[in-house]
Parts: sequence; structure tokens; C-alpha cells
Amino acid sequence: DGGITQSPKYLFRKEGQNVTLSCEQNLNHDAMYWYRQDPGQGLRLIYYSQIVNDFQKGDIAEGYSVSREKKESFPLTVTSAQKNPTAFYLCASSPPLGRPFDQPQHFGDGTRLSIL
Amino acid sequence: SQQGEEDPQALSIQEGENATMNCSYKTSINNLQWYRQNSGRGLVHLILIRSNEREKHSGRLRVTLDTSKKSSSLLITASRAADTASYFCATASFRDDKIIFGKGTRLHILP
Repeated sequence: DGGITQSPKYLFRKEGQNVTLSCEQNLNHDAMYWYRQDPGQGLRLIYYSQIVNDFQKGDIAEGYSVSREKKESFPLTVTSAQKNPTAFYLCASSPPLGRPFDQPQHFGDGTRLSIL
Repeated sequence: SQQGEEDPQALSIQEGENATMNCSYKTSINNLQWYRQNSGRGLVHLILIRSNEREKHSGRLRVTLDTSKKSSSLLITASRAADTASYFCATASFRDDKIIFGKGTRLHILP
């Protein structure tokens, strides 16, 4: 079955460490997205990518970095510059038709990041 | 910003009743989407309605959009225990390539 796989499900980071969250999809979608969700809040867009080797900043990109070397993969690195990284991180993808955010998004089951 | 705001924040109803939740936003949009999230899981897409549409249906779900009032509603008919979840609206604008999610409505279906 096609879908989006995020790993790991839980991740712990020490102060000053960079960590990378994995997102893989086998839906043959061109567009991929990273969101952050804080308790009791909606999602906030970190980065998105519409094609390989291209990506755009969302509303809260500071302290994060991404790469898009393959269509299937869109890893997110939470750098030490992100001062409040504890959150639930969600990856999504959508078909290539039309403008960004013009198609339903398919979500993974998230990675919960905590600071030790 | 064009933030979507859901109302109410929380809703508890008896199984079999209808549930209605609302979403308001501030600026012009190209589409509005509704998603469901079960606790600790990812979001599941429910319905996408474009700015030139007024109503869409999908099974027990009915979504309306009133662009003059900048508001949308999601109606779930004949609710079931499995409908217990948080429901989010998201508004998209092509003018600035943005998508904004609201804070959600927590729906609890009582047996």
C-alpha cells in the first residue's frame, strides 16, 4: 500500500545537537511538506518542496534545514539554532497538479521530538 | 494573516447526533480544506472546497463555504464513536503561496 513513512516515531535530542527526521513516500507525489505541531495548536509550515532539488521556506523555517535529492525523500534537520525544538513533526505529500496547497495532502504519522 | 479559526474549541455529543463545527478566516483564499486527526496520529484529508464552490458532500460529511462571510462549516451526520478526533480547517492562498491551519475543534462522541 502506498503511503508516507516517518521515522523514528520518538526522538530525543541533547542541547547543541543537530537531529534529522526521515520522511519517505511511495505515492509518486512531487510535492512534499514539513509541519510542526505544538500541543493544542494547529500545524505550522516549516518547508515545502514541489520538485527534486528545489524547496521553499514556510512560516517558521529558522533553525531548520531540508534537502530534496530524491523524489521519494524529504529529510528535515533540526539544528542547534532551533531554541525550542520540542514538538510533533509531520511530513506530508501531494500530487503534482496545480499550485502548491491546491491538492489534498497525505500525512505520515509524525515524529515526536523531545529535548533531554 | 488569513488564519482559520475553528469554533467551538471542543464539542461533546451523543452518538447518532449531528456535529457542526465552523471555521472563519480573514483574507481571500483559493481553497479551504478540512482534516481529521486522531490522537498522536497524522492528519487525514476530508474535503477540499474551492473559492468558487458553495457546498460539497462526502459520505456523512457536508462542507459549506461562504466567501462573503469568510467562513466555512463542517457537518458530520449520524455521528459514530470513531468520529472522535480533532478537526482542522486549512486555508490556502495562491497569491502568497501560503497554507494556514486553525487550532482545531476537539470532537468527542459519547456512547
